[in-house]
Amino acid sequence: GESVGLHLPTLSVQEGDNSIINCAYSNSASDYFIWYKQESGKGPQFIIDIRSNMDKRQGQRVTVLLNKTVKHLSLQIAATQPGDSAVYFCAENIPPSNGNQFYFGTGTSLTVIP
Amino acid sequence: NAGVTQTPKFQVLKTGQSMTLQCAQDMNHNSMYWYRQDPGMGLRLIYYSASEGTTDKGEVPNGYNVSRLNKREFSLRLESAAPSQTSVYFCASRDTYQPQHFGDGTRLSIL
Repeated sequence: GESVGLHLPTLSVQEGDNSIINCAYSNSASDYFIWYKQESGKGPQFIIDIRSNMDKRQGQRVTVLLNKTVKHLSLQIAATQPGDSAVYFCAENIPPSNGNQFYFGTGTSLTVIP
Repeated sequence: NAGVTQTPKFQVLKTGQSMTLQCAQDMNHNSMYWYRQDPGMGLRLIYYSASEGTTDKGEVPNGYNVSRLNKREFSLRLESAAPSQTSVYFCASRDTYQPQHFGDGTRLSIL
């Protein structure tokens, strides 16, 4: 999985399979986390977020899991489609910043094989 | 609904030249941000404006200045461009307690 400062990892999955993208965050005080999707030549696009008082949050075909014990965040994409091919990265907010200074991971490149 | 609009999309400068990157949002968001994105690194915050009339430094402010012109517009200025400022620049905005929305970036090359 990704973490701040690591080289970009890659993940290849077959169309229709589930994808799991991982993120190790840096600070145990982080209270808000966001997953973004970035397609080539585009800006980051919000996927889903979660606050530290939750362990799991679900959206449309996506689920985010937060494990505060090991400072780990994961994004699960169900029934992965070719349009899901992109770079995915997580961002964390560390108090006292009130969402004004997020720290971003380097991302994981997801390739969906038709 | 355009969201966050950045201009220009591409720019090539010579070392020492100056330029201003423009950003406008139509979502009535209070906060706006400028980031740079370099290969192998996560987005890094240059400056932000938590509300109209205020600006603050982020992680990498050196060599840049910003202006929050009004609630919609937040510009980034390079007074004397250096090759180290070659990057992709993203503007973002957000409402309180909400995630940031990003523009599609300005790809800047400095020769």
